[in-house]
Amino acid sequence: GNSVTQMEGPVTLSEEAFLTINCTYTATGYPSLFWYVQYPGEGLQLLLKATKADDKGSNKGFEATYRKETTSFHLEKGSVQVSDSAVYFCALSRGGGFKTIFGAGTRLFVKA
Amino acid sequence: DGGITQSPKYLFRKEGQNVTLSCEQNLNHDAMYWYRQDPGQGLRLIYYSQIVNDFQKGDIAEGYSVSREKKESFPLTVTSAQKNPTAFYLCASMNPGGNEQFFGPGTRLTVL
Repeated sequence: GNSVTQMEGPVTLSEEAFLTINCTYTATGYPSLFWYVQYPGEGLQLLLKATKADDKGSNKGFEATYRKETTSFHLEKGSVQVSDSAVYFCALSRGGGFKTIFGAGTRLFVKA
Repeated sequence: DGGITQSPKYLFRKEGQNVTLSCEQNLNHDAMYWYRQDPGQGLRLIYYSQIVNDFQKGDIAEGYSVSREKKESFPLTVTSAQKNPTAFYLCASMNPGGNEQFFGPGTRLTVL
């Protein structure tokens, strides 16, 4: 079946540090891949997405590249800010399907 | 502005009482979803609906019920049969032509 595995948190970084949150997936066919972010007490919002192999999604300084050969979609940011503190969810959706599969989430704390 | 509204943001109920959580969207999306999120946990799918007057059980439907009488509305009832109802509930929608989910702000239910 389809599944998403992401690194366990929490991840604690100092401001301006480099961020990587690992995400790997299992799926048949060619799913679309997503990163969602959840700030405290709020719903999830889409951070970035990629719909085919080798696509790079980017937004607000965050990037992730769809790697079919390694079935990965790792999230990166070159210099994190305190305001990036949140929970990050990796997810996949099969084309034409109506369900999205979410990873367990990774909590990020950024210290000033 | 288009979006998803959930009300109320905080809800308190006594054990043994049924409670209904509201979810309304004005995005003209066909598909709607209910998720449950427990502290430090990922999202678990309760119910989803692909079209008006139709819905399917998700992974943890026991103790919950839904209706989809209108395209814009997908209320969730937490019944007294739900053994541990205290959680954060998230509603989402998706246009089947796309694959991104849009989330509401969530309702935090506490059963006393």
